[in-house]
Amino acid sequence: DQQVKQNSPSLSVQEGRISILNCDYTNSMFDYFLWYKKYPAEGPTFLISISSIKDKNEDGRFTVFLNKSAKHLSLHIVPSQPGDSAVYFCAASGGNFNKFYFGSGTKLNVKP
Amino acid sequence: IAGITQAPTSQILAAGRRMTLRCTQDMRHNAMYWYRQDLGLGLRLIHYSNTAGTTGKGEVPDGYSVSRANTDDFPLTLASAVPSQTSVYFCASSDEGGSEAFFGQGTRLTVV
Repeated sequence: DQQVKQNSPSLSVQEGRISILNCDYTNSMFDYFLWYKKYPAEGPTFLISISSIKDKNEDGRFTVFLNKSAKHLSLHIVPSQPGDSAVYFCAASGGNFNKFYFGSGTKLNVKP
Repeated sequence: IAGITQAPTSQILAAGRRMTLRCTQDMRHNAMYWYRQDLGLGLRLIHYSNTAGTTGKGEVPDGYSVSRANTDDFPLTLASAVPSQTSVYFCASSDEGGSEAFFGQGTRLTVV
């Protein structure tokens, strides 16, 4: 059973609006969370991360929110741009720090 | 700066054949990983290595083996390929106790 879940396989958003991508996890040992972005025929690239001691981390247009009690995190992209169209993976690690568990991904389409 | 290099980029392999996917990093990272990406399942960890000389099993290790003779190289071997091993394989590395993992460009393997 997957320990990190992304329940929305796809999301379509108009350019300039907010994109919200969601992720849930089941393992309470996870204490570090990451978002990766993946274009077709390329490897995933790191986007933003958050430690469990925080509930928010911001980097430019990208903000990650963590709700530990709900075991839920989300990635907000504001404003969304067509170049943001990609598959976004949520990942988590903890305990054995160097093992990352990934969700199934959400394909974001930002329409011009 | 190459980062992580995977070879081959793609391969069609007859079932029952042996195959080694190569992965080399030049970042002197201690930890390395192999993931497979399948539609609807995201990235699943096959094997990992926290440092040269050690390896560990991930979520889906059956049918695969790895070795870590030195810091830079982390080959993945399919001893006797089966069609269910058709997938895109990603190698990644990260600092020991570090944050994000860096990924290679992937190897697309088709077992027929």
